[in-house]
Amino acid sequence: EAGVTQFPSHSVIEKGQTVTLRCDPISGHDNLYWYRRVMGKEIKFLLHFVKESKQDESGMPNNRFLAERTGGTYSTLKVQPAELEDSGVYFCASSQGGQGQETQYFGPGTRLLVL
Amino acid sequence: LAKTTQPISMDSYEGQEVNITCSHNNIATNDYITWYQQFPSQGPRFIIQGYKTKVTNEVASLFIPADRKSSTLSLPRVSLSDTAVYYCLVGVAYSSASKIIFGSGTRLSIRP
Repeated sequence: EAGVTQFPSHSVIEKGQTVTLRCDPISGHDNLYWYRRVMGKEIKFLLHFVKESKQDESGMPNNRFLAERTGGTYSTLKVQPAELEDSGVYFCASSQGGQGQETQYFGPGTRLLVL
Repeated sequence: LAKTTQPISMDSYEGQEVNITCSHNNIATNDYITWYQQFPSQGPRFIIQGYKTKVTNEVASLFIPADRKSSTLSLPRVSLSDTAVYYCLVGVAYSSASKIIFGSGTRLSIRP
């Protein structure tokens, strides 16, 4: 079974530019999460999709961040315009949904550097 | 969600048993205890979860005393590949779909 994949693995952009990160969850997983770790800090939750709906977006830092999950499959996270403090590692995770244990499976992350 | 306290870092040698203890004094009745492992340049990976007493799987054991105010992750006969950051997480979130709140974790370094 393929795991959670993220693209790109690395991105270096200049302040003010736009970057779009993509996450492909494990097939059949209804829940999709975005997290990030900025330099020297702990991993922080950004938002949670259930299928194509945003269940919880309490962690989104500001309106420069836009997440979508059209069709309930893959998700994109767009940062526009990027700022220096957006540099960090962005993780995506997915879980199956339904009752019972909800183990979240994480992707390898996208390393974003804003210059 | 209950706050957790764990060592910032630990060192050990190959072949040794490593125990990482986590304190969670204000754990709630419905809370589970979950440990994640994160290797460099990878995302966190679920390794074990428990509610009380002892849980064992192919990777680790989790010991939880009766008062549940602490827990110990035990890694038997570690190898160099066990070098990673280990996160102790407490909350009902892990038996239902919800966000994970990560702490700073314990950075475990294994030496030859």
